[in-house]
Amino acid sequence: QVQLQESGPGLVKPSETLSLTCTVSGGSVSSGNYYWSWIRQPPGKGLEWIGYIYYSGSINYNPSLKSRVTISVDTSKNQFSLKLSSVTAADTAVYYCATTHDILTGYYDYWGQGTLVTVSS
Amino acid sequence: DIQMTQSPSSLSASVGDRVTITCRASQSISSYLNWYQQKPGKAPKLLIYVASSLQSGVPSSFSGSGSGTDFTLTISSLQPEDFATYYCQQSYSTPITFGQGTRLEIK
Repeated sequence: QVQLQESGPGLVKPSETLSLTCTVSGGSVSSGNYYWSWIRQPPGKGLEWIGYIYYSGSINYNPSLKSRVTISVDTSKNQFSLKLSSVTAADTAVYYCATTHDILTGYYDYWGQGTLVTVSS
Repeated sequence: DIQMTQSPSSLSASVGDRVTITCRASQSISSYLNWYQQKPGKAPKLLIYVASSLQSGVPSSFSGSGSGTDFTLTISSLQPEDFATYYCQQSYSTPITFGQGTRLEIK
């Protein structure tokens, strides 16, 4: 069973870059079995899909964030990461890493616990 | 982007009640519709995938139906642990999008 754990700073200053890592256990980021994704949720609001990366290097970003987002994989550490540049208060959210093993049916059956990132000076 | 609209946005019900939540897509998404339950401070939990398939370990009191643009999540007999927020999600095309959520509260 795959387990996911987010880590990273809980406070980021406006205009800086948000960086988060998701550590994977029970599965391999270099396996073709999963699409590794990031999803966020502003406090008290709904869920927003950020994007995914596949082991082959295939990446898909939400167009609303595409100019500021980078998702990458570190196979040596069995981790995948999120970078979001030029953040504003609107980027304050709980950030989840999650995975689906079929991008067409696209259901997220494994989630991290989430990490709150606050953008504030 | 495909817009997902849930109704109602909030709902009050009692233990034992039968409850139905609706999700409508702005265009046809075939059966690529998933449902999640989220409790405060927790990650969403998958309930139903591909419109009507029950995720392993989820009580059979939960069921899903629909195709095309209109979908429903039904809880046949509410239990105390079912009071939560429910989200639908389409995976037909990227960007993947979620409904705004339905908050299910105790009456």
